[in-house]
Amino acid sequence: GAVVSQHPSRVICKSGTSVKIECRSLDFQATTMFWYRQFPKQSLMLMATSNEGSKATYEQGVEKDKFLINHASLTLSTLTVTSAHPEDSSFYICSAMRGAGNQPQHFGDGTRLSIL
Amino acid sequence: QKEVEQDPGPLSVPEGAIVSLNCTYSNSAFQYFMWYRQYSRKGPELLMYTYSSGNKEDGRFTAQVDKSSKYISLFIRDSQPSDSATYLCAMSVSGTASKLTFGTGTRLQVTL
Repeated sequence: GAVVSQHPSRVICKSGTSVKIECRSLDFQATTMFWYRQFPKQSLMLMATSNEGSKATYEQGVEKDKFLINHASLTLSTLTVTSAHPEDSSFYICSAMRGAGNQPQHFGDGTRLSIL
Repeated sequence: QKEVEQDPGPLSVPEGAIVSLNCTYSNSAFQYFMWYRQYSRKGPELLMYTYSSGNKEDGRFTAQVDKSSKYISLFIRDSQPSDSATYLCAMSVSGTASKLTFGTGTRLQVTL
């Protein structure tokens, strides 16, 4: 099956630090990648949709200057949480879609971010 | 009211039981329906993917969609301890390239 790798799996850092999370599709080219946030006992909430070579589309209420997304190649998208604060602590998960059309989204294993 | 409602559980069943997991939704425009399994500290893994109403079977798993009732189900036959996980339903309006709306997930525990 499709493999999506997400790195790092766990980050603990001080308030004010910027954190970069990578999402890679290992065995397919992903024209579209998605970034989600998941709070404990809550649904995955879509933050943004990332298309290779173009600007990301952010969901309502998500600050694009706070959560910078770059999708520079067909196998890599990055999410940078800038000047992170404790309220940004969460589980961040990416997913990737193979090619075009109605292919299902395949998810990475997530990054648990803890801001002290 | 949430767009997608899912009982969080936990649901505990003995090994070999038939498990029924359900979601209800309010947006009649949803047409694509998915079930994901998520183990602790892992990302969701796609189990089933269906379009519109009807049934789909894959091994021990059967997905049912009833659009008239805005109700979807996942059945697991001959449940195993390895099926213990959180099961998430997800749905979208215009295909998987568009926004997926998830349920909160049902935690399933299959006991020996």
